[in-house]
Amino acid sequence: EAGVVQSPRYKIIEKKQPVAFWCNPISGHNTLYWYLQNLGQGPELLIRYENEEAVDDSQLPKDRFSAERLKGVDSTLKIQPAELGDSAVYLCASSLGDRVGDEQFFGPGTRLTVL
Amino acid sequence: QKEVEQDPGPLSVPEGAIVSLNCTYSNSAFQYFMWYRQYSRKGPELLMYTYSSGNKEDGRFTAQVDKSSKYISLFIRDSQPSDSATYLCAMSGDSSYKLIFGSGTRLLVRP
Repeated sequence: EAGVVQSPRYKIIEKKQPVAFWCNPISGHNTLYWYLQNLGQGPELLIRYENEEAVDDSQLPKDRFSAERLKGVDSTLKIQPAELGDSAVYLCASSLGDRVGDEQFFGPGTRLTVL
Repeated sequence: QKEVEQDPGPLSVPEGAIVSLNCTYSNSAFQYFMWYRQYSRKGPELLMYTYSSGNKEDGRFTAQVDKSSKYISLFIRDSQPSDSATYLCAMSGDSSYKLIFGSGTRLLVRP
């Protein structure tokens, strides 16, 4: 079974530039998560999708971050404009459902460096 | 104060040692307790999952939860160099899917 796929794996941009990350979850997984992981820290949830609906985006900085999951499968996370403090790993995860305790499977992440 | 505290390490042990990794937490509503392993440049992968208090064993790994002390542990027996990774604890409550992660402990098992 293929895991969660993310691209690109690495991205280097200059501040104020836009950037986008793509995620393809495990087939059949209805729930998709985007996490931010700073160096030496655990992942922090940015947004959760149930199918194509963003059911929790309370931690997403909406002034510069946006996300979409148009057909309820793959998803894109965008930052515009990027700031130096956005340098981090952006992880995508998926789970079969939205029940508490449903295992979340993580992708390898996109490592963003903002210069 | 963070909801979940975890010693960042690094923890360096010789091969074959018993490793003890720990987290403390402050939110008494947490009921689901997980341990994730994260290799360098990879995403976290679930190792152990425990609901409420008690112990759970899976091969060389044992997870313990002490809700009275708000303290969870992961023990690794007969540690191997391949166990070298960052170990993250994570927790959630009965009414919330949201995982709260610790900052991770980096483990190095020396051959």
